[in-house]
Amino acid sequence: QKEVEQNSGPLSVPEGAIASLNCTYSDRGSQSFFWYRQYSGKSPELIMSIYSNGDKEDGRFTAQLNKASQYVSLLIRDSQPSDSATYLCAVNTPGSQGNLIFGKGTKLSVKP
Amino acid sequence: ETGVTQTPRHLVMGMTNKKSLKCEQHLGHNAMYWYKQSAKKPLELMFVYSLEERVENNSVPSRFSPECPNSSHLFLHLHTLQPEDSALYLCASSQGQGNEKLFFGSGTQLSVL
Repeated sequence: QKEVEQNSGPLSVPEGAIASLNCTYSDRGSQSFFWYRQYSGKSPELIMSIYSNGDKEDGRFTAQLNKASQYVSLLIRDSQPSDSATYLCAVNTPGSQGNLIFGKGTKLSVKP
Repeated sequence: ETGVTQTPRHLVMGMTNKKSLKCEQHLGHNAMYWYKQSAKKPLELMFVYSLEERVENNSVPSRFSPECPNSSHLFLHLHTLQPEDSALYLCASSQGQGNEKLFFGSGTQLSVL
């Protein structure tokens, strides 16, 4: 059973701090990795994708991938209360016909 | 209307009822999906349609019946559901099947009594 694991949280950080969200996956052959953000009562929205080892930065967001450790993370710099949401890690694995496997999500709360 | 729209937003039904969920995408995408989101569980892929052809059925009980009449519309027909089927049902679309950038609708919050 291919799995994607996330700490459900809640992760609470003060405004302006760095929020670090972590995700591990079981299939070593996984090739593509994604972070979706889901506000309460809303639908998931893609915010970051990463395909190769290392860091990828987009504004205040940085995705980090370590395939050897089967680990992907999302850093949010200068966290804002508007970043409070559940963050879903998703992985595309071979044999899944291109369909994503999602983690349960980590709930982030940014306190003013 | 833009993006992916779903109706109804909320649905309460008894176990003997028959109802349908509707999804429409205005993005010109070729693939459409039904996902189930239950509390404290990951998003579960239920069905995938690519160019109106069902390409995946993830061992979903037959009380859920999808229909894709064209590439813009997707339905999920519900009958004789169980209380454990209560969840948020999300429709999504993507440029092509296997394209990981999914665009989600707002979902239907379903309660089965």
